Amino acid sequence: QVQLVESGGGVVQPGKSLRLSCAASGFAFSSFGMHWVRQAPGKGLEWVAATAYQDAVQYYADAVKGRFTISRDFSTNTLYLQMNSLRPEDTAVYYCAKWSGDYPVYYFDFWGQGTLVTVSS
Amino acid sequence: IVLTQSPGTLSLSPGERATLSCRATQSISSSHLTWYQQKPGQAPRLLIYGAYIRATGIPDRFSGSGSGTDFTLTISRLEPEDFAVYYCQQYGGSFWTFGQGTKVEIK
Repeated sequence: QVQLVESGGGVVQPGKSLRLSCAASGFAFSSFGMHWVRQAPGKGLEWVAATAYQDAVQYYADAVKGRFTISRDFSTNTLYLQMNSLRPEDTAVYYCAKWSGDYPVYYFDFWGQGTLVTVSS
Repeated sequence: IVLTQSPGTLSLSPGERATLSCRATQSISSSHLTWYQQKPGQAPRLLIYGAYIRATGIPDRFSGSGSGTDFTLTISRLEPEDFAVYYCQQYGGSFWTFGQGTKVEIK
C-alpha cells in the first residue's frame, strides 16, 4: 500500500535552513509527480512546490520561490524540500502528497501525516 | 486563480443536508477541480475529483457538481464522521490553489 512518511521538521531560527524528507513506498515513485503542501497552525492548505513525473520540471509558489528547492532521490524513493532563509510565516505542518490521475483529471490521492516546522527565535 | 469557499462554517445536525460552495475567480475545467476532507490532526483525504467523481471508498452521500466558476459539494445526509473541514482545490498547469475551507460543525 502507498505510504508517505515525512521527517525533518523542528524548531529553527529565522534565516536558517532546514531539509524535509518524505519516504515513499508502495508505488512507482519515479512515475508520479510529487508535491509539498503546508498548513499554518489553525489555517488552510497552501500549495508549496511540485516536481513532475521523472523530475522533468519543478514548480514553486511565489511565497517560497528562490528560497525552497524540491528534489528527489530515485534510488531511495525519497522526496526532499530544502528550505533556506526561513521566515516566521513559514511555520506550518508540511505534507508531502502524491499527484495522480489520468489526463486530464489529476488530484492528490495520498498524503503523508506531515511534519511540523516552527520558525522562531 | 483564487478559490473562495462559502460558507466559512456550516452548523448542521446529523441527518441534515450540507451544501458547500467553491467559486473561482475565472473559469476552470471541471477536470481540474477536487474536494478534500480534513479532520483535526489528520492529513487531508481525497473525496471528489474531476468535480463529480467519488474517490475509492467514499460513500455515495457525497456528491460533487458544477462547472465554469461555480462548484458544489453536497453531503446528502450528514453522518457523525462527516463533521470536518472541506477544501476545494484546482490546478492550472504550473500552479495549484486551495480554497480557504468550509468547516462543517455539529449544531
